[in-house]
Amino acid sequence: ILNVEQSPQSLHVQEGDSTNFTCSFPSSNFYALHWYRWETAKSPEALFVMTLNGDEKKKGRISATLNTKEGYSYLYIKGSQPEDSATYLCAPLNSGAGSYQLTFGKGTKLSVIP
Amino acid sequence: DGGITQSPKYLFRKEGQNVTLSCEQNLNHDAMYWYRQDPGQGLRLIYYSQIVNDFQKGDIAEGYSVSREKKESFPLTVTSAQKNPTAFYLCASNPGTAGELFFGEGSRLTVL
Repeated sequence: ILNVEQSPQSLHVQEGDSTNFTCSFPSSNFYALHWYRWETAKSPEALFVMTLNGDEKKKGRISATLNTKEGYSYLYIKGSQPEDSATYLCAPLNSGAGSYQLTFGKGTKLSVIP
Repeated sequence: DGGITQSPKYLFRKEGQNVTLSCEQNLNHDAMYWYRQDPGQGLRLIYYSQIVNDFQKGDIAEGYSVSREKKESFPLTVTSAQKNPTAFYLCASNPGTAGELFFGEGSRLTVL
C-alpha cells in the first residue's frame, strides 16, 4: 500500500482567505493524481484528474498543480467561501503488473468561517 | 438522473450475522469498487470489478465477498469472518480503471 500524505490534517480559515494544502506520494509507477471534494452527508466528487508533470488545472476558485518527479501536488482555494467547507482527498493512481491502483490519503478537512 | 445508489444508508447487525450492502449504478460504467472508511484513515479498497463476472481483492478483502452478475450491480457481503465490520462503506464506479470515480452516498454499518 502506497504512503500518501496530506497536510494539514485540518484547518480553519476566515471567509475570503486563500488557502492551500499538500498531497505527497511516491513518484515511482505514477500514472495520475486525483483530487476529490467530500462534503458532509454527500458523496465525494472529483475535482481534478492530473497526469502530466507540471500540469495545472483550474475549476472556478480552485486550482491544483502537479509535480510527478518529486511526488507532490498542491490544491489552492482562492477567496474561500463557506460552501468550500469539506474534506479534500487526494489519490495517486499507480500502474503495475497490468493493473491500476488508486490509493487515498486521509484528507484535509477545511472549515471556512463566515 | 444517472448515478450510484447504495442501500441501506444505515444498518445494524448482531455479531455473527452476514449482511449485504447493495450498490447499483445506471452510468453504464464497466468498473465498480467498494471502499471502507474508518475514523482517521483514508479510504481503503475492499474489492473491485473491472467487468461483469470478474472481480479482484483489494487491500482489505478478508471477511468480505462480492459478486458481479450484472453490469449495474456490485453487492458487498460483510461476513461474520470480518473481525471489525463497524465502518462506513462507499461504492464507486468509473468507465475505465484510470478515470475519475463516481461515488454513492455510502452505507454505515454498526455491529452491536
